[in-house]
Amino acid sequence: DAKTTQPPSMDCAEGRAANLPCNHSTISGNEYVYWYRQIHSQGPQYIIHGLKNNETNEMASLIITEDRKSSTLILPHATLRDTAVYYCIVPTSSNTGKLIFGQGTTLQVKP
Amino acid sequence: DTAVSQTPKYLVTQMGNDKSIKCEQNLGHDTMYWYKQDSKKFLKIMFSYNNKELIINETVPNRFSPKSPDKAHLNLHINSLELGDSAVYFCASSQPGLAGRYNEQFFGPGTRLTVL
Repeated sequence: DAKTTQPPSMDCAEGRAANLPCNHSTISGNEYVYWYRQIHSQGPQYIIHGLKNNETNEMASLIITEDRKSSTLILPHATLRDTAVYYCIVPTSSNTGKLIFGQGTTLQVKP
Repeated sequence: DTAVSQTPKYLVTQMGNDKSIKCEQNLGHDTMYWYKQDSKKFLKIMFSYNNKELIINETVPNRFSPKSPDKAHLNLHINSLELGDSAVYFCASSQPGLAGRYNEQFFGPGTRLTVL
């Protein structure tokens, strides 16, 4: 898997946008960027993925830089329930479903 | 309806015992996985099955044996349990297809295994 680098922790005020960065400078041209999160004591939850264009769904937006070496997950209006560990993952292009979870970013949303 | 379910939720057992964890998905997916999350919270893939065929087998002791009776079920049997097997085990499923859909995985709630 392409190596990803994320800050270990971030804080965000409730109601504000949470911007979570991820560096993946060794990403290959056909490798996707995936974001998952794990709320305490629950199973990981898929959030969003993208290749080169920006993506948006009901949970979040994903902004990928033009050179694809970094991306930002945006939670537009963070709530207390968004407090979780957020993982940025770039799986291998072999498409076997082998996800490698790093340490992720612990996002703390504060009232 | 629960998409990916696991039983039991908690499992406490003695060293040396044999135990099984069951996983079922009602999403119609072809691929299922087992992950282990240790006390330091690192989440690591153990096995993956696609249509009952083993496709990922990480460096896992052979005391761990996955069994897939059909594509909706992937059970994990563990022989001769050791203290180091204590962890949370997560089952997941996905539907391979275009655009890397293998990696859009749905996880179960986890089974917390404690070996005494």
